[in-house]
Amino acid sequence: KQEVTQIPAALSVPEGENLVLNCSFTDSAIYNLQWFRQDPGKGLTSLLLIQSSQREQTSGRLNASLDKSSGRSTLYIAASQPGDSATYLCAVIPQRRQLTFGSGTQLTVLP
Amino acid sequence: EAQVTQNPRYLITVTGKKLTVTCSQNMNHEYMSWYRQDPGLGLRQIYYSMNVEVTDKGDVPEGYKVSRKEKRNFPLILESPSPNQTSLYFCASSPTGGRGYTFGSGTRLTVV
Repeated sequence: KQEVTQIPAALSVPEGENLVLNCSFTDSAIYNLQWFRQDPGKGLTSLLLIQSSQREQTSGRLNASLDKSSGRSTLYIAASQPGDSATYLCAVIPQRRQLTFGSGTQLTVLP
Repeated sequence: EAQVTQNPRYLITVTGKKLTVTCSQNMNHEYMSWYRQDPGLGLRQIYYSMNVEVTDKGDVPEGYKVSRKEKRNFPLILESPSPNQTSLYFCASSPTGGRGYTFGSGTRLTVV
């Protein structure tokens, strides 16, 4: 069974720092990987989708990479802002398309 | 606007009173699913549907029912809600090919 781990569980940084969130998965036979953002008590907002044939995706200050062979993905956030404070979730999409979520990284960006 | 719409957003009900949470998507997605999110347990899949009239159990299906009579709608039915079904529920949809999921805004259900 696929297991997805996100490290660290929580992270607090001063505004302006660049940071990296990590996601690892046990079964490399994935189809795609998707990063989400969740604000407290709110829904999931899709940030980036990396298809299995890709190694990275970029959107604004966000860059996500995928290394299927090592079972890892990273989300890089440049020049962090207080508005980036949220929980970040990675989700692995296998061939059967049932998402498996990590437990998330709770990010706090201090002004 | 492409979206997944859940209703209601908030619901407080009593044990045993049947309820339905609706989910509708306007993107013509084949795949739809329901999740619940609980503190310390993360997001867990309840049921999913690959297409109209095709549904299957996820990881935590007990106490729930679903139906997929139309492509756009995928309601979640709690025939006899119990307090352990108090949770935050999300509906999601995806096109074929695993080209990413779109989630609804969530339904916070409290069963007393």
